This record gives sequence, structure tokens and C-alpha cells, in this order.
Amino acid sequence: AQSVTQLDSHVSVSEGTPVLLRCNYSSSYSPSLFWYVQHPNKGLQLLLKYTSAATLVKGINGFEAEFKKSETSFHLTKPSAHMSDAAEYFCVVSLYNFNKFYFGSGTKLNVKP
Amino acid sequence: DGGITQSPKYLFRKEGQNVTLSCEQNLNHDAMYWYRQDPGQGLRLIYYSQIVNDFQKGDIAEGYSVSREKKESFPLTVTSAQKNPTAFYLCASSIASSGSDEQYFGPGTRLTVT
Repeated sequence: AQSVTQLDSHVSVSEGTPVLLRCNYSSSYSPSLFWYVQHPNKGLQLLLKYTSAATLVKGINGFEAEFKKSETSFHLTKPSAHMSDAAEYFCVVSLYNFNKFYFGSGTKLNVKP
Repeated sequence: DGGITQSPKYLFRKEGQNVTLSCEQNLNHDAMYWYRQDPGQGLRLIYYSQIVNDFQKGDIAEGYSVSREKKESFPLTVTSAQKNPTAFYLCASSIASSGSDEQYFGPGTRLTVT
């Protein structure tokens, strides 16, 4: 069975401080992993994806994530938060050759001035 | 300008009425998906289609129906059998049926049924 757990439903940081959004997955097969961002009442935008190449993946807007197979984790980080980063973030796992995507329940990021 | 369009952005219906949500893509993607989003629950898959004239039920298909007569279009009908239809509906597409291809999302339709 496949599943995705986002460990924090809400994260609050101050502008200019690091961001860490945690994601753990379970999968019987080698997964593809994604992080998406959603601003209020908008669709989802892809931040980055891991598909069995480099374990450290760089995405848009300064975000990056590291795939750690031993820990079954794919945490999202950013060195310095910006006010525009305030949004909801979703970790997603899919399986190669299976056309289904499994979404975490989301983490809402609040950025304080 | 390629992308996915969903219309309308907001939709209001009376209980007992069927309603159809539009989803169109000009990305030439084979696969299309419909998700439902409720607060604190992430996205749940309603239906997906890998090719024209073929579609499969997702995790919460009851009370919904779809068609895929054209590659670029994947409309979703919310029927009166859907017990709790008020939600934010998202359409997505991806290049092919490989799970390594990311999904592209439309802007969503917020449906309110009273």
C-alpha cells in the first residue's frame, strides 16, 4: 500500500528564517515524489519532483527537498522564508507505471513579518 | 499559452440538481484527472482517464460521472446522488500514464450546493 504523511498541519516561521516541511511516505515500489504549492482558491503548482535521479532536488523559488530512502522521507526546505511563501504545501507520491497519485493532507505555511 | 482551464470558477446549485464542471487542456496530455478538495483532507481522486473514451473510478467516484470524448476535454458531472457535493474541484492532466510525470492543475471550481 502507498501513503503519504505530512507531519505538520501548520507551520509558522518568521520572514528570513529557514523553512522545513516534513513528509514521510510508504511505498512497496520505487516512488516518484513531488511537492506542490497551493495559494488560496488556486490550483496546485509544482515546486519540485524526485524521479530516482539525484537525491537532492532543487525546485522553484529557492525550495529544495532531499529523498532519504532509509528514512522514507522527502522533506521540503528553504533557507530563508519570504512573505510570498505563505500557502499550503502538498507532498505527493506516485508509482512508476501506475497512473495514480497519493496526496498528503497538506501543510499550511504561515510567514510572519 | 498552454494550460488547463476550468469553468466556472464559482458555481451555485440547489440540492437535487445535476451540475457539470468543465475541464479543458491544450497541453496534448493523454491523462486527465478530477480531484475533490475539502479542508484538512488533501486531494481525493474522483475519476481519471488515461486515453480518449476510457476512464476509471478513483477513490470517491460515487455520485459522480465523467466522459472523455475528446483528448482535450474531461467534464465532470456531480449528480444528485452525491451526498455532500459542496467542495473545491480540481482538474489535472499529465503527459502519459507513467507516474513519474508531474500533473498540471487547473485553477479549480468551487461548487456550493444549498
